[in-house]
Order: sequence, then C-alpha cells, then structure tokens
Amino acid sequence: AQSVTQPDIHITVSEGASLELRCNYSYGATPYLFWYVQSPGQGLQLLLKYFSGDTLVQGIKGFEAEFKRSQSSFNLRKPSVHWSDAAEYFCAVHGNKLVFGAGTILRVKS
Amino acid sequence: EAQVTQNPRYLITVTGKKLTVTCSQNMNHEYMSWYRQDPGLGLRQIYYSMNVEVTDKGDVPEGYKVSRKEKRNFPLILESPSPNQTSLYFCASSPKTGHGVNYGYTFGSGTRLTVV
Repeated sequence: AQSVTQPDIHITVSEGASLELRCNYSYGATPYLFWYVQSPGQGLQLLLKYFSGDTLVQGIKGFEAEFKRSQSSFNLRKPSVHWSDAAEYFCAVHGNKLVFGAGTILRVKS
Repeated sequence: EAQVTQNPRYLITVTGKKLTVTCSQNMNHEYMSWYRQDPGLGLRQIYYSMNVEVTDKGDVPEGYKVSRKEKRNFPLILESPSPNQTSLYFCASSPKTGHGVNYGYTFGSGTRLTVV
C-alpha cells in the first residue's frame, strides 16, 4: 500500500526567506507525485506534479519540487517566500490510487 | 470558468436526518471523487467514480452513498448522519488518461458539515 509522510505539521519562515517542505512516500514502483496548496476557507489547488523525466519540476507561484528516488522524497521549495504563501500544503502520491499526506501549515512572519 | 461547484458551503444538521451534498463540474471530466478533511489526518477518500454509473469505495465509505447518473454530477448522500461525520468535505474531478492516472484534481470549495 502506498503512503505519504509530511514530517512537519507547522513551519514558520520569515518573508523573503527560502522554504523547503518535506514529503516522503512509500510505494513499490515509481509513483506520480503532486503538491497541492489550500488557502484558508478554500479548496485545494494543484501546485505541481511529477510523472516522469526531469526530476526537478516547476510549478505555479514560483514553487518547484525535486523527486529523489533514492530518498523516496519529493520536497517542495521556494527561494523567497511571500506573505501570501501562508497556507496548508499537501503532498500526494498516486500509485494505484491518490493518497494525501496530513499536510504542513506554513506561517510567514514579516 | 472551469470549476467544481459544491453546495451547500455550510450545513448544520441533526443526527439521523438524511442530507445530500451536491457536486457538479463543467469540465467534462471522467473522474470524480469525494474526500473528507479532518485535522491531522489530511484528506481521506470516501468514494470515487471513474465514469457514469461506475462508482467505488475509497478509504472511509461507511455511512455514505454516492451516485453518478450523469457525467457532471456526483452527489454525496448521508442517509443517517452521525456526529462523527462532522467534517470538511471536498468534491474533486479530473480527466482520465489511458493509464487511469489522475492528472491532478480540480477541487470544489468545500462543504463544512456539522452534525449535532
């Protein structure tokens, strides 16, 4: 069975600082990987996805993520965080079905 | 505008009173799914549908029903709601691929249900 672990429940960063949100997955083969963002009171919005090819994928809002097979990881990064990035972020893996992690809440301090 | 529309956004009901949460998408997507979101648990799939008249259980189907009579609609039915079904519910849709892979959902704005 596939699973997703997001080790950090909360992360606080200063505006303008870099960001990395961690995601580890468990699946027997190469999965399809996603990051979603949920702003307060909103549904989830797809940030980026990895299916194959280049292991560094670019998404919307200046986010990128890197697939590392050896570490079973798909960490989300952004070089400079804006206050509007404060939200909850979900990593998801699609093996035989789509499974979400428990989420990481990002707080941005000015 | 391409979107998934859920109604209602907020609902407070009493134990045992049947309710339906509607979901409609205008993107001609084959896949539709219902999730519930609870603190610390992320999103858990309730039911999904791969196409019209094709539905299947997700991870937490107990106490829920769905139907897919038309491609655009996928209502979630709680025949006898209980307080443990108090949650935030999301409907989502995605196009189908030849490999059956989910290319990324479009989510509705959510329905916050409270059962007292």
